[in-house]
Amino acid sequence: DTGVSQDPRHKITKRGQNVTFRCDPISEHNRLYWYRQTLGQGPEFLTYFQNEAQLEKSRLLSDRFSAERPKGSFSTLEIQRTEQGDSAMYLCASSQRQTRRTGELFFGEGSRLTVL
Amino acid sequence: TQLLEQSPQFLSIQEGENLTVYCNSSSVFSSLQWYRQEPGEGPVLLVTVVTGGEVKKLKRLTFQFGDARKDSSLHITAAQPGDTGLYLCAGAEKGGSEKLVFGKGTKLTVNP
Repeated sequence: DTGVSQDPRHKITKRGQNVTFRCDPISEHNRLYWYRQTLGQGPEFLTYFQNEAQLEKSRLLSDRFSAERPKGSFSTLEIQRTEQGDSAMYLCASSQRQTRRTGELFFGEGSRLTVL
Repeated sequence: TQLLEQSPQFLSIQEGENLTVYCNSSSVFSSLQWYRQEPGEGPVLLVTVVTGGEVKKLKRLTFQFGDARKDSSLHITAAQPGDTGLYLCAGAEKGGSEKLVFGKGTKLTVNP
């Protein structure tokens, strides 16, 4: 399977704990995105990388959230001191940057976080 | 940050009916994409429209990009239960960030 993979698919944690999600993009894609989706809503942009550089971060990404893509391949999204409001599906997507427009996003199946 | 508004938010129809869903904004987009998402899965791209006034067809689905590149519509002919899902539009603002911003989606249910 050469699609975007995310791990874990489901995570249940207690409030105050730290959690980390991993995303492995399609290997030839140089862009990697993180989105958050709550029930009944569209995906909300969190951040994106081009290769290893983090080019943009949403204001939604508080100081408890950090994302890395150390070698321009896989990425991790860490949430520290989780809160119940962090409960959501965290979606990772990758794309190949195109010169004139934003390319197609290929999404993983997401990591669902439940904070008790 | 531009806002993409989708309507209707929910749509429940019978198999064989036609429907149209809309995606509107006050911002101009360099391109606009439509995705379909099923429960527990990530969105999957259906189409990308780039040119104002462009019409693209994908079997029973017809996508149109507004002349001013601020809005788009998706028309489904003779809907089938397999069309059930969340339809999302997403755009990258012209001259702005290259990130894709999504609308809240239209949840479509096609009843047999």
